[in-house]
Amino acid sequence: QQQVKQSPQSLIVQKGGISIINCAYENTAFDYFPWYQQFPGKGPALLIAIRPDVSEKKEGRFTISFNKSAKQFSLHIMDSQPGDSATYFCAFRSNSGYALNFGKGTSLLVTP
Amino acid sequence: GAGVSQSPSNKVTEKGKDVELRCDPISGHTALYWYRQRLGQGLEFLIYFQGNSAPDKSGLPSDRFSAERTGESVSTLTIQRTQQEDSAVYLCASSQQGNQPQHFGDGTRLSIL
Repeated sequence: QQQVKQSPQSLIVQKGGISIINCAYENTAFDYFPWYQQFPGKGPALLIAIRPDVSEKKEGRFTISFNKSAKQFSLHIMDSQPGDSATYFCAFRSNSGYALNFGKGTSLLVTP
Repeated sequence: GAGVSQSPSNKVTEKGKDVELRCDPISGHTALYWYRQRLGQGLEFLIYFQGNSAPDKSGLPSDRFSAERTGESVSTLTIQRTQQEDSAVYLCASSQQGNQPQHFGDGTRLSIL
């Protein structure tokens, strides 16, 4: 049951560029939107997270933007580096439980 | 260690066999979660533990899947009579409490022949 649609499926960005990944959700009963970064053979690592009462959150080169009316949230990676090459997952948690629901992931490749 | 530890890291077994996957959460984390990640897919929630109780088992795909947690620490996910569609990476996460950020282990890669 896919409740969040993540795009694009894959992304190639030149070093120094901006990487943008989008997620659109259907249900509005969410209270937490984390983004995870996953390298091959490793578990997902929490990158940054936002709650719906905040429209934007920035941590270093990573920014989450949240558009409640459009039911979308996005991850921006500024000054992308080859070390950022990984798979990125958006997720949400409903306000009635603790399970995370994940998007299908975006494979990011940052070229030198 | 400081992180979530899972064992074994890889498991290959024949169809029809039972398997047990282990998770050691971060010390002091009362909440523990199991997820499944099929190749090239996002994570699917399986079960959530608060302490030794499982208030949310809604993601377990069939009665062949079960999990337990003891001592508010180690958890074991058991898959009985494995099928080829059970092949996936099984990931465990823990958090200080249910509404806190979840931290993942590196998973167990399960292959059913």
